[in-house]
Order: sequence, then structure tokens, then C-alpha cells
Amino acid sequence: NAGVTQTPKFRVLKTGQSMTLLCAQDMNHEYMYWYRQDPGMGLRLIHYSVGEGTTAKGEVPDGYNVSRLKKQNFLLGLESAAPSQTSVYFCASSEYPNRVGTEAFFGQGTRLTVV
Amino acid sequence: GDSVTQMEGPVTLSEEAFLTINCTYTATGYPSLFWYVQYPGEGLQLLLKATKADDKGSNKGFEATYRKETTSFHLEKGSVQVSDSAVYFCALSNFGNEKLTFGTGTRLTIIP
Repeated sequence: NAGVTQTPKFRVLKTGQSMTLLCAQDMNHEYMYWYRQDPGMGLRLIHYSVGEGTTAKGEVPDGYNVSRLKKQNFLLGLESAAPSQTSVYFCASSEYPNRVGTEAFFGQGTRLTVV
Repeated sequence: GDSVTQMEGPVTLSEEAFLTINCTYTATGYPSLFWYVQYPGEGLQLLLKATKADDKGSNKGFEATYRKETTSFHLEKGSVQVSDSAVYFCALSNFGNEKLTFGTGTRLTIIP
């Protein structure tokens, strides 16, 4: 049972390069999320999706784009990477968060360094 | 809107010490409350949860009680181990909110 799988696990980019982070979940969850985690900042929500074909902005969406073409996949894109985007990125998925006690499941994270 | 405030870290304890990590929340209605744990180099995983007032969530020796009167969900463990070293996040979910609300995390280090 894979749960939530993120690829790649590590990446180094040069400023201005682009890349796509892939998140895949096998739990048939409707909701998917992308967070970034920085020292002393906790988790900050970048974008999220409430179902196939939908996306919405979170707290820190600037510089990122997302797509949810298939229910099981949620892609996070950086069109022109900046050093400020150096971070650890986590994908998560859940059933409807409105439901009592619904928990989120997290991937292992992608450590991205922009030089 | 909903918010979670948790104890600033880092917290360093000796093995077998008693642990408390404070968490308070602001939310309307009756949110569900969670503690997640992040071990070094890993993603977050659910540690325990509680879905209504006075519920106690427990797992791996950790406990937290949903206190609506004080809007709190403090995490406790009677005797910590080196393997408990991790970052702990308090979180809530609420009707009408499409996403979990997380606290900033508390880094716990247990020394032998």
C-alpha cells in the first residue's frame, strides 16, 4: 500500500530553471495539497485541489502552478526557480476534510535547493 | 478564521521525563483535533486525534484530551524515549473549511 508518493526526493536547481514535482496517491482521495516547510515557519499551504480538474490557491501560491488532470495525481510546477523557493515540499491527500475526524496522509517530502 | 497555537520549541528532555506540549485553538463550532508527528527525514504521520469535547486520543503512550472549555488539546507522555525525538504538529479540521489548519510545530529532542 503506497499511500502518497512524491517524486523526486531531492533536487538541485539553478536560478531560473523550471521543474515539476509529482504527487501520486492510491487511496482515491478527493482532496490533495501541496505544502512547503521552512525552518521556524511550520507548514505553509501553497495550492490545493478539491477534486479532479480543480485547483485553488493557498497561503503562499506565488511562483508556483499546479494541475490535477487525474484524480490520483497532483503536480506542482516551478516555472522560474528562485533561491527563496529552497524548501522541503510535502504533498498530502485526504477524504473530505469537512467530515469529522478526517485525517490527511503525507508523502515523504521533496528537498529542493535552488542555487 | 480557524487557527492553532502551539508551544514554541525546541524542547529538550532527558529520557523517562514527563512531556507536555501545549496546543490551543480558535475555531467556530466543533472542530476535530489532531497531533501529527514528523520523524527526521520523513513526512508527517497522524499520531492521535479526538473528534468531540472530552474525548481522549491516545497512541504509542501519548495522550491528548479535547478540552472545549479551554480550547486546548495538549499532548502528554509520561516517560519519553530517545525514539520520540521528532517534530510535533497540532492541527484541526472544521466543517466548512477545505483544509487542515496546522500549528507551527514543536521540535522535541530526548537525550539519553
